[in-house]
Amino acid sequence: IAGITQAPTSQILAAGRRMTLRCTQDMRHNAMYWYRQDLGLGLRLIHYSNTAGTTGKGEVPDGYSVSRANTDDFPLTLASAVPSQTSVYFCASATGDNQPQHFGDGTRLSIL
Amino acid sequence: GQNIDQPTEMTATEGAIVQINCTYQTSGFNGLFWYQQHAGEAPTFLSYNVLDGLEEKGRFSSFLSRSKGYSYLLLKELQMKDSASYLCAVRDSNYQLIWGAGTKLIIKP
Repeated sequence: IAGITQAPTSQILAAGRRMTLRCTQDMRHNAMYWYRQDLGLGLRLIHYSNTAGTTGKGEVPDGYSVSRANTDDFPLTLASAVPSQTSVYFCASATGDNQPQHFGDGTRLSIL
Repeated sequence: GQNIDQPTEMTATEGAIVQINCTYQTSGFNGLFWYQQHAGEAPTFLSYNVLDGLEEKGRFSSFLSRSKGYSYLLLKELQMKDSASYLCAVRDSNYQLIWGAGTKLIIKP
């Protein structure tokens, strides 16, 4: 079934540890995005990629990094996790930056 | 700064009609999206408006007034499965989406 796959579904992580959230799409979408969703706040953009080989910073990029080596994969890395990074993380993709975004099922991350 | 305002929560009755409002102040405007998000699930696309007026899609309609910085989502013939959060998002001058915090819609029998 075509779509976006995120892994893991959920994770509990000790502060200071490194963690990579995986995101893979098989729709050949050019644009991909990482958001975090916190209670009472709108989705906030962390990083984005308009096409393979390029990335950009969103509204809340500090403490996160991304790479886009190919069209399908867009991993998000927390170099040294902190409790304020506890959140639900959504990966999304779109055919272009003026098209609707399609979302993965999310990763629930708790940093202790 | 950029801001999207939506009511936090609304309650409606099964079979009725409900209107969810969204007002925005953003740096530029390149379209407005509505998404539905059931609890614990991913947002799913509902509608897109870039020109003023009403877009109808089955039981759901979305309206836009760019001069007023205003949109609404109209849900008709409400069903229990429509209980969800409804997210308003505006694409700004950088083509990035600015998201509202969402409106939680509770449907009562």
